[in-house]
Amino acid sequence: DTEVTQTPKHLVMGMTNKKSLKCEQHMGHRAMYWYKQKAKKPPELMFVYSYEKLSINESVPSRFSPECPNSSLLNLHLHALQPEDSALYLCASSRTQGAGQDTQYFGPGTRLTVL
Amino acid sequence: AQSVTQLDSQVPVFEEAPVELRCNYSSSVSVYLFWYVQYPNQGLQLLLKYLSGSTLVESINGFEAEFNKSQTSFHLRKPSVHISDTAEYFCAVSGGGSYIPTFGRGTSLIVHP
Repeated sequence: DTEVTQTPKHLVMGMTNKKSLKCEQHMGHRAMYWYKQKAKKPPELMFVYSYEKLSINESVPSRFSPECPNSSLLNLHLHALQPEDSALYLCASSRTQGAGQDTQYFGPGTRLTVL
Repeated sequence: AQSVTQLDSQVPVFEEAPVELRCNYSSSVSVYLFWYVQYPNQGLQLLLKYLSGSTLVESINGFEAEFNKSQTSFHLRKPSVHISDTAEYFCAVSGGGSYIPTFGRGTSLIVHP
């Protein structure tokens, strides 16, 4: 099983709402990532979890709050977002956050629209 | 620090024609190189990667890329493209103390019938 799943596929929310994005993998990977991708742009790294601990936070605004409840799950909690936060949010996992040779496996993404 | 340059933002070709998507990187240390493909409304998928050894790497669907250290390039080629190859292609580099891949801006391959 080389699949990373993400729910929901689409999400529309107002600026005062609170919502969560979910990501799951069962490949035994110990590194998990959140990326934000705008149309026709490369993915931008937001957060990295290594062995369930937050290891990288790329200066992401506090309205985005990641959580890694266990080695298979990764959540991204959203609160008081802005319209410019509308994007495709991608989750990825890799065997480890090692020396850079591990392949990242991406989920299909959640298309987020903030009204 | 390392960086990746994908020189072409868009490459239009006709079906069954050959194609080359260019990727150059800059790094002062040994690197690992990747090509990812993103089909419309999907996540990224690994197409192929170079870690070490043979400088020519191949994917299962006919793409190949050659690592050229002297020219710091990792261009992606396919001798005959199909309509289904229409997608966004991202070159990425990691290694040398940077665990997280750095992505290029992407090249949109558009295959016309």
